Amino acid sequence: DVKVTQSSRYLVKRTGEKVFLECVQDMDHENMFWYRQDPGLGLRLIYFSYDVKMKEKGDIPEGYSVSREKKERFSLILESASTNQTSMYLCASSLGGDGNQPQHFGDGTRLSIL
Amino acid sequence: LAKTTQPISMDSYEGQEVNITCSHNNIATNDYITWYQQFPSQGPRFIIQGYKTKVTNEVASLFIPADRKSSTLSLPRVSLSDTAVYYCLVGNTGGFKTIFGAGTRLFVKA
Repeated sequence: DVKVTQSSRYLVKRTGEKVFLECVQDMDHENMFWYRQDPGLGLRLIYFSYDVKMKEKGDIPEGYSVSREKKERFSLILESASTNQTSMYLCASSLGGDGNQPQHFGDGTRLSIL
Repeated sequence: LAKTTQPISMDSYEGQEVNITCSHNNIATNDYITWYQQFPSQGPRFIIQGYKTKVTNEVASLFIPADRKSSTLSLPRVSLSDTAVYYCLVGNTGGFKTIFGAGTRLFVKA
């Protein structure tokens, strides 16, 4: 069974801090994704990566960056956290190939920016 | 990207069959249809995927008509633990940008 592990379930940070969210998958998947989920807005894609050191912007990349130095690890970085980045953050992974491969999700990190 | 439309919410009772329909009028030739289930405070979980006609697994069935402009997720004999949000997605063969809509909130009552 695929396991996607996010480093924290709950995180509280202050405005202006640099925040790192870590995600690790154990199934040698090529693709990894970061989403945020807000009430009434569903899941929105922030960034995805289809290979080590490769990344592409999703629908809402502003204020975020990502890093993928190893295949199993995908990090989301909030360069200077703001209160509007308070949200549930979800990481996912999938096999390579086209965009039809099912995604496997972690349980999320609920991030509060004070 | 093909947009999907599904009901915002549905109610059911334990033991009933539940059918959730999703519209995807602009589905592309190579797109698959995928359904996910999400419980509170958890990430979405893959349920089933199909391309055409009917697909069945141990959890659900997926019915896709010939024109593929809609699909129906069928959950047989639901229980209270099936209360969740169900998302219908259409695959993007040109890349990986996936659109999760608001989903359908299913509430199963005793």
